[in-house]
Amino acid sequence: EAQVTQNPRYLITVTGKKLTVTCSQNMNHEYMSWYRQDPGLGLRQIYYSMNVEVTDKGDVPEGYKVSRKEKRNFPLILESPSPNQTSLYFCASSLLSSNQPQHFGDGTRLSIL
Amino acid sequence: AQSVTQLDSHVSVSEGTPVLLRCNYSSSYSPSLFWYVQHPNKGLQLLLKYTSAATLVKGINGFEAEFKKSETSFHLTKPSAHMSDAAEYFCVVSRGTSYGKLTFGQGTILTVHP
Repeated sequence: EAQVTQNPRYLITVTGKKLTVTCSQNMNHEYMSWYRQDPGLGLRQIYYSMNVEVTDKGDVPEGYKVSRKEKRNFPLILESPSPNQTSLYFCASSLLSSNQPQHFGDGTRLSIL
Repeated sequence: AQSVTQLDSHVSVSEGTPVLLRCNYSSSYSPSLFWYVQHPNKGLQLLLKYTSAATLVKGINGFEAEFKKSETSFHLTKPSAHMSDAAEYFCVVSRGTSYGKLTFGQGTILTVHP
């Protein structure tokens, strides 16, 4: 089954404790992206990657890191999480074309205390 | 630069009546435009997309949208609402010539009353 898998689905942690949210897709997609969703703001793009070893900033990259060492994986790293990073996070992937839809994971709800 | 404005944060309709969710966009390039739906506690699912072919686009579950360049609009419609249409809807613009940055609207919550 074609899917984008995020882990964990839920996480409560404390300020400053490094965490990683993993994202994996099994569709051989070149493009992968991370978003955060906050009430009233829709989804905002954090980082995206158009292929292995190619990443670029979205609209809200501050406080986040990503890497793309393999085509299927695109982890999101919070080196020193802060409460303003409490949010619902989505990973997505697609073929590399402007008219291709994105396939979304089911989301990761992060709470930073 | 590109931006998306969904003109209504909430829309409420009765089952069986038409649905209209409004979206205006701005883009310096020929855009690709999408509508996604998000049901509670779920990821986003594509409803339909516009990519410079036909201006009237048909999607899944009876939804359609019309691209109007002169009005920079991409409104989503459905002739007859169903209870299962209750969800949050997002209008999305991507830069047509260089895929990478996507911009989402703020979302419209659709409520369907029996």
